[in-house]
Formats: sequence, C-alpha cells, structure tokens
Amino acid sequence: TQTVSQSDAHVTVFEGDSVELRCNYSYGGSIYLSWYIQHHGRGLQFLLKYYSGNPVVQGVNGFEAEFSKSDSSFHLRKASVHWSDSAVYFCAVMPNYNVLYFGSGTKLTVEP
Amino acid sequence: DMKVTQMPRYLIKRMGENVLLECGQDMSHETMYWYRQDPGLGLQLIYISYDVDSNSEGDIPKGYRVSRKKREHFSLILDSAKTNQTSVYFCASSRDISNERLFFGHGTKLSVL
Repeated sequence: TQTVSQSDAHVTVFEGDSVELRCNYSYGGSIYLSWYIQHHGRGLQFLLKYYSGNPVVQGVNGFEAEFSKSDSSFHLRKASVHWSDSAVYFCAVMPNYNVLYFGSGTKLTVEP
Repeated sequence: DMKVTQMPRYLIKRMGENVLLECGQDMSHETMYWYRQDPGLGLQLIYISYDVDSNSEGDIPKGYRVSRKKREHFSLILDSAKTNQTSVYFCASSRDISNERLFFGHGTKLSVL
C-alpha cells in the first residue's frame, strides 16, 4: 500500500522567511508527484508536478519542489513567503497512471 | 474558462434524508472524481468516473453512489444520509485518467443532523 506522509500538520513562519514543507511517500514504482494549495473555503489548486528529469521543479508564485529518490521525498520550498501564502498545502502521489492519493496536508501560517 | 462548479455550497440535512450533490465541468474532461475532506485525514476518494456511465469505487464508497449521464456532469448521491457523512465534499476533474493535474470545485459543506 502506497502512502503519502506530511509530517508537519502546522507550520508558522514570518513574512519574508523561507519555508520548507515536507512530503515523504512509500512507493517503489514510477510515480507522479505534485503539490496542491488550498486557501480557506476554496478547492485545491495545482502548484507543480514532477515525473522525471531535473529533480527540482518550479511552480507558480515562487514555489519549487525537489524530488529525492533516496529519501523518498518531494519537499516544497519557497525562499521568501508572503502573507497570501497562508493556506493548506497537500502533497499528492499518482502511482503508475492510477489515482491521485493525497497526504493529510500542512497548514502554513505566515505572520506579519 | 476552465471551471469545476459544485452545487450547493452548503447543505444541512437530517439523518435518513437523501442527499444529491451536483458537479459540472466545462473542460470536456473525461475523468471526474468525488472526494471528501475531514480534519486530519486529507482527501479521501469516494468514486471515480472514467467517462459517461463508467464509474468505479474509490477508497470509501460505502454509503454513496454516483451518476454520470453526461460527460460534463457528475453527481454524488447519499441514500439515507448518516451523521458520519458530515464532511466537505470536493468534486474534481482531469483530462483523462493518466493526467495527474486535477481541477477542483469549491466544495460542498454537508451537515447531517
């Protein structure tokens, strides 16, 4: 059974800080990895994805994520956060053109 | 105008009542999904639809059924709702089953009293 683990339920940083949101998965085959953002009261929105090639992928609004096969991780990073980045972030895994499985989410709070 | 629309946004029902949640998309996407979101659990897949009248159970289908008679519409039905079905329900669509980018609606907050 594949799992997606987001170990931090809540992360709080100050505006201008850098942030890393962690995602680990357990699956040995070919997979797509992606991140979604959910602002309060809204549906999820796609941020970025990785399947192959350069392990660092760029997304919207300055977000990037790095794939590590050795660590089974796909952590999301941003160098300088803005208050509008406050949201819940979901890591997702799609093994072998199957269904997308989501982690439990990390709530990011950016304080002024 | 790529959009997934869910109706209604909020719904309050009594235990035992029937519930119909509607979802539409304007992108001619083949694949559509119903998820529920509960605190601490993330999103759990209820049903997936590969196209018209081609539906498959997800991870938690018990107590739910779906209907897809047109590509652009996907309905979730709760026959005799239970209090543990109180949740936020999200509909999503993707171009096809192999496409990992999902487009989500705003969600329907269902309370079963």
